[in-house]
Amino acid sequence: GENVEQHPSTLSVQEGDSAVIKCTYSDSASNYFPWYKQELGKRPQLIIDIRSNVGEKKDQRIAVTLNKTAKHFSLHITETQPEDSAVYFCAALGTDKLIFGTGTRLQVFP
Amino acid sequence: DSGVTQTPKHLITATGQRVTLRCSPRSGDLSVYWYQQSLDQGLQFLIQYYNGEERAKGNILERFSAQQFPDLHSELNLSSLELGDSALYFCASSVAGTLGEQYFGPGTRLTVT
Repeated sequence: GENVEQHPSTLSVQEGDSAVIKCTYSDSASNYFPWYKQELGKRPQLIIDIRSNVGEKKDQRIAVTLNKTAKHFSLHITETQPEDSAVYFCAALGTDKLIFGTGTRLQVFP
Repeated sequence: DSGVTQTPKHLITATGQRVTLRCSPRSGDLSVYWYQQSLDQGLQFLIQYYNGEERAKGNILERFSAQQFPDLHSELNLSSLELGDSALYFCASSVAGTLGEQYFGPGTRLTVT
């Protein structure tokens, strides 16, 4: 069935370092890949997304890369700050719905 | 603020009861999605409506049902509640179908005692 795997499940970094979260998907027809940030007790917030016609997209300190051949995509956060601490979810558009990864808990230590 | 509203914010009820969760999408959005998030778990897709019609179904239990009204707001009905139904229930909306960006509401925290 449709599946998205996300790694790592937890990630701790020092403030100012970079963080990378990786996801792989199973449906080769997937063509839309959003990333959501969820702070404790809050709603998931769309932070960046990428469609299959591009390989990379940047928005300030956040970038997403997509490798359709290998069926994986990654979130890169540079110059991390304590307010980046949250759970991050990747997702891939399946046949008729978004399939979410299991989440990565990112902790940024000052 | 995403523009998606959900009521109530919190709901505490007993096993066997029935509750209704309400969602109003962003202005102009035709699609509404419902998700369940249990403690420390990911987002489980339940169901999607587009312009009043059911569009896609996920792992939604038979005890759960939903509908989207002509004004595009949606309701999720949960019946014969069990302890395991305790979770955060999120609604999301998008302009079009699943190809559009989904924006989430603040969620309803359901506690079944």
